[in-house]
Amino acid sequence: DGGITQSPKYLFRKEGQNVTLSCEQNLNHDAMYWYRQDPGQGLRLIYYSQIVNDFQKGDIAEGYSVSREKKESFPLTVTSAQKNPTAFYLCASSFPGGGMVEQFFGPGTRLTVL
Amino acid sequence: KQEVTQIPAALSVPEGENLVLNCSFTDSAIYNLQWFRQDPGKGLTSLLLIQSSQREQTSGRLNASLDKSSGRSTLYIAASQPGDSATYLCALMDSSYKLIFGSGTRLLVRP
Repeated sequence: DGGITQSPKYLFRKEGQNVTLSCEQNLNHDAMYWYRQDPGQGLRLIYYSQIVNDFQKGDIAEGYSVSREKKESFPLTVTSAQKNPTAFYLCASSFPGGGMVEQFFGPGTRLTVL
Repeated sequence: KQEVTQIPAALSVPEGENLVLNCSFTDSAIYNLQWFRQDPGKGLTSLLLIQSSQREQTSGRLNASLDKSSGRSTLYIAASQPGDSATYLCALMDSSYKLIFGSGTRLLVRP
């Protein structure tokens, strides 16, 4: 089955703790993305990567970090510098092709700060 | 700065009704527009993708239109069913290849 997996489904973090969210895809997509969704709102772009070993900041990158060492994987670390990390995090991927392609989304990870 | 607005924020209709969801945007320089469905606590499922050169796309009971000149897209759902209950999000790809999302319309189809 081809698709995007995210783990864990639910994650709890204490104040001052770093946590890493996993995103894996077996769709052979070059591009991967991380979004944040707050209740009743649309998605906002955190980071994206068009190719292995390269990534760019999105609109709300502060307090987050990523790596792209493998084509299939794009983990997101939520650092203690992120002041309001409680949210629903969604990973997506797509083929390259600029404006001609659609993005496919994973099932999401819900992060709660205790 | 591109802004995407979806109206209404919530909609409740009886089963069988045809309905229209609206999406408006402020900058017509877009590459494409996608409509997504999101069930509570779940990820997004892509429903339809309209390229900027296209006027509409159809899939089953769904029809999406795009009018760049007026900054509008509509998602038409025919013969609605309770299983259509979900949040519907529109997103457009801007000139820097980023997806900009609306805040969604929560649809409830009553049996």
